Amino acid sequence: GNSVTQMEGPVTLSEEAFLTINCTYTATGYPSLFWYVQYPGEGLQLLLKATKADDKGSNKGFEATYRKETTSFHLEKGSVQVSDSAVYFCALIGNTGFQKLVFGTGTRLLVSP
Amino acid sequence: GAGVSQSPSNKVTEKGKDVELRCDPISGHTALYWYRQRLGQGLEFLIYFQGNSAPDKSGLPSDRFSAERTGESVSTLTIQRTQQEDSAVYLCASSPLAGINTGELFFGEGSRLTVL
Repeated sequence: GNSVTQMEGPVTLSEEAFLTINCTYTATGYPSLFWYVQYPGEGLQLLLKATKADDKGSNKGFEATYRKETTSFHLEKGSVQVSDSAVYFCALIGNTGFQKLVFGTGTRLLVSP
Repeated sequence: GAGVSQSPSNKVTEKGKDVELRCDPISGHTALYWYRQRLGQGLEFLIYFQGNSAPDKSGLPSDRFSAERTGESVSTLTIQRTQQEDSAVYLCASSPLAGINTGELFFGEGSRLTVL
């Protein structure tokens, strides 16, 4: 079945550092890929998505490119801020019939001033 | 309210007791999902409701788990005879019709269940 693997955390960075959170997936066909974020005390919210190979999703300075050849969707940001501290979840959904959103385990990011 | 609302936010119960968790979706959202997140694990799909169609219960882990939803309104997730392995955060999400199969879900803050 479909699955998502993402790097374990926590990831600890200083403000303005470069961020990469790795995500790889296993799926049949051509799934859509997502990054969700959960800020402290809030519900998960969609950060960005990509629906086909080579698409780049971007939002709030974060980017991720759908790489079918490496089955990856790594999250990157050039300069993190303290306010980016949160838990980040990689997810996918298949493209046939009703498909449930399948999540990775989440990666906690801690950014210090 | 503007978002998905879940209650209670925290619940501590004794093993063997029944618990009921509630979810108020965003008004007008036809689809409603329940997920479970155990400590250190990803979100585990439990059940999906879409309008008046039969729910997809394929993720419910045992017959101790059940969920109801009337139309496009509130949903309740019931766990009978709770076990310690039921301890988790239970997340509810909703989406509009256009969001189904696009993966764009709106999540509540979750109900944290601790079974002693």
